[in-house]
Amino acid sequence: DTAVSQTPKYLVTQMGNDKSIKCEQNLGHDTMYWYKQDSKKFLKIMFSYNNKELIINETVPNRFSPKSPDKAHLNLHINSLELGDSAVYFCASTNGLATNNEQFFGPGTRLTVL
Amino acid sequence: AQSVTQPDIHITVSEGASLELRCNYSYGATPYLFWYVQSPGQGLQLLLKYFSGDTLVQGIKGFEAEFKRSQSSFNLRKPSVHWSDAAEYFCAVGASNYQLIWGAGTKLIIKP
Repeated sequence: DTAVSQTPKYLVTQMGNDKSIKCEQNLGHDTMYWYKQDSKKFLKIMFSYNNKELIINETVPNRFSPKSPDKAHLNLHINSLELGDSAVYFCASTNGLATNNEQFFGPGTRLTVL
Repeated sequence: AQSVTQPDIHITVSEGASLELRCNYSYGATPYLFWYVQSPGQGLQLLLKYFSGDTLVQGIKGFEAEFKRSQSSFNLRKPSVHWSDAAEYFCAVGASNYQLIWGAGTKLIIKP
């Protein structure tokens, strides 16, 4: 029973392509996040949705577009991929907006742009 | 500004030895503090958290951490490490804008 799942696990693509990463959680949480982890393991928050509403939208190129069709899903679409987009992307979820709640992470999607 | 500093990029410890990973934070109010662990190729998992009360908190896998307000620190400890503890460890503080502020991580290497 995977709590937070992401597909695909690996994604290798050419520069300029458009790709999507999907995330689903079965924990009944109402808040979901996308993080980017670079090669030095630094974690950077990109977006957060609460009850399908965007609440965190960090300084991210507008080539990145999140979409939350329902509370259990948060997808990330990336247009015109660039070399610098290569990273591991993590989805996470939690209950509510308070920052004292544990975040549950997916296994990550390793994106490689050639 | 809110920030989290993990001064050690990596630490090497012999199996069976004790461990302390350092974390310092900058935050105006009483912080919510977390330690997460990331095993190779995996997502992050919560080890322990501090909100209030007893400043020594116990977590999973035999880890503990101590909150010291006077030093703005929340160091992670384990009395005896196992090879399976080799991982990346992240300290984080709950910020006021719905998100966590993350440290840069400390890579723990275990020598046999």
